[in-house]
Amino acid sequence: AQTIHQWPVAEIKAVGSPLSLGCTIKGKSSPNLYWYWQATGGTLQQLFYSITVGQVESVVQLNLSASRPKDDQFILSTEKLLLSHSGFYLCAWSLRGLSNERLFFGHGTKLSVL
Amino acid sequence: GQQVQQSPASLVLQEGENAELQCNFSTSLNSMQWFYQRPGGSLVSLFYNPSGTKHSGRLTSTTVIKERRSSLHISSSQTTDSGTYLCALGSSSSFSKLVFGQGTSLSVVP
Repeated sequence: AQTIHQWPVAEIKAVGSPLSLGCTIKGKSSPNLYWYWQATGGTLQQLFYSITVGQVESVVQLNLSASRPKDDQFILSTEKLLLSHSGFYLCAWSLRGLSNERLFFGHGTKLSVL
Repeated sequence: GQQVQQSPASLVLQEGENAELQCNFSTSLNSMQWFYQRPGGSLVSLFYNPSGTKHSGRLTSTTVIKERRSSLHISSSQTTDSGTYLCALGSSSSFSKLVFGQGTSLSVVP
């Protein structure tokens, strides 16, 4: 069975500090991977997607970056956090593209930037 | 403008009542998915339903492409159904992107 693990569960960070959020998918070979972000009370927005190792496409510019160093790992990061980065970050996977595949989410990371 | 509109924004039900949640979209559809977002924030996939009707327990999803709408019917609601229901549209212009609606917040009271 496929499992998706996100870390950390929650973070409290200072403005201007760096950030690294991670996501690991087990039980699926070469999944499509995605990062989503939801501001408190807001709509889920897709940030990045990756079809294969080493390739990441940006969907929304939020002064964040993403990398896929391994087939089963997706990292979201920034060198300098902004207050506007606060919110809930979700990693997700699908078997192929989203036009004909279901999307499955991790449990998310709650980020508070102070 | 907003590509995906959900209604109602919020809903309160007495346990045992039925609910009909709506999702209307303004662009061409390639796929439609429904999710349940738990109060803690995590999402559960409910349906992948690009067209027609699908059933899962007390849940039914119906997507009518030519009318640009999808609905989620919850029958015999339970307090554990409380949370937020999200629909998400996958368009033919981008196979790697889902656009989410703003959600319907459901509260089922005993």
